[in-house]
Amino acid sequence: AQTVTQSQPEMSVQEAETVTLSCTYDTSENNYYLFWYKQPPSRQMILVIRQEAYKQQNATENRFSVNFQKAAKSFSLKISDSQLGDTAMYFCAFMKLRGTYKYIFGTGTRLKVLA
Amino acid sequence: ETGVTQTPRHLVMGMTNKKSLKCEQHLGHNAMYWYKQSAKKPLELMFVYSLEERVENNSVPSRFSPECPNSSHLFLHLHTLQPEDSALYLCASSQGEGARLFFGSGTQLSVL
Repeated sequence: AQTVTQSQPEMSVQEAETVTLSCTYDTSENNYYLFWYKQPPSRQMILVIRQEAYKQQNATENRFSVNFQKAAKSFSLKISDSQLGDTAMYFCAFMKLRGTYKYIFGTGTRLKVLA
Repeated sequence: ETGVTQTPRHLVMGMTNKKSLKCEQHLGHNAMYWYKQSAKKPLELMFVYSLEERVENNSVPSRFSPECPNSSHLFLHLHTLQPEDSALYLCASSQGEGARLFFGSGTQLSVL
């Protein structure tokens, strides 16, 4: 069975600095998707970034980028130039390539950006 | 705004009450989900409907009863809940397998 582990329950970062959130996962699948979702205090979870495991290139979305290490089963999220609006819970998630609607989520990392 | 609307935003109910949570998506997606979010736990998938047919049912107690009358609407009917059922209930939708989820803002449920 797949599992997703986020080992940092809480983190903080100064505004304009860079922070990295860690995520590791366990699977015997070769092809799959990985996601980072953000849940701000408004509670509405939104997609931050999506990575397809069969693509070597790390995904990037503006200030957000990932470091995907397939062999190590690691999928960390880097937030550059942190902004106050980045304050949120961040969830890492895994999904097999096909045949399921079941996402596997981690327990989340609460990130606070300090002014 | 993600195109997924949940009502009510907050709900307090006694253990003998019957209530329903409602979710509506305006994105034309073909799959809808109910998740339970409790503190310090991973999101728990409760039910998935694809094209109005239930395709996932993760050993959820029968006091939770889903209903999907069409591809845009999803309900979660609640009856004789327990205090440990207090949580944030999130609805989501997607277009097919492996696609990103679009979430509603959730219903914060308190069972007294």
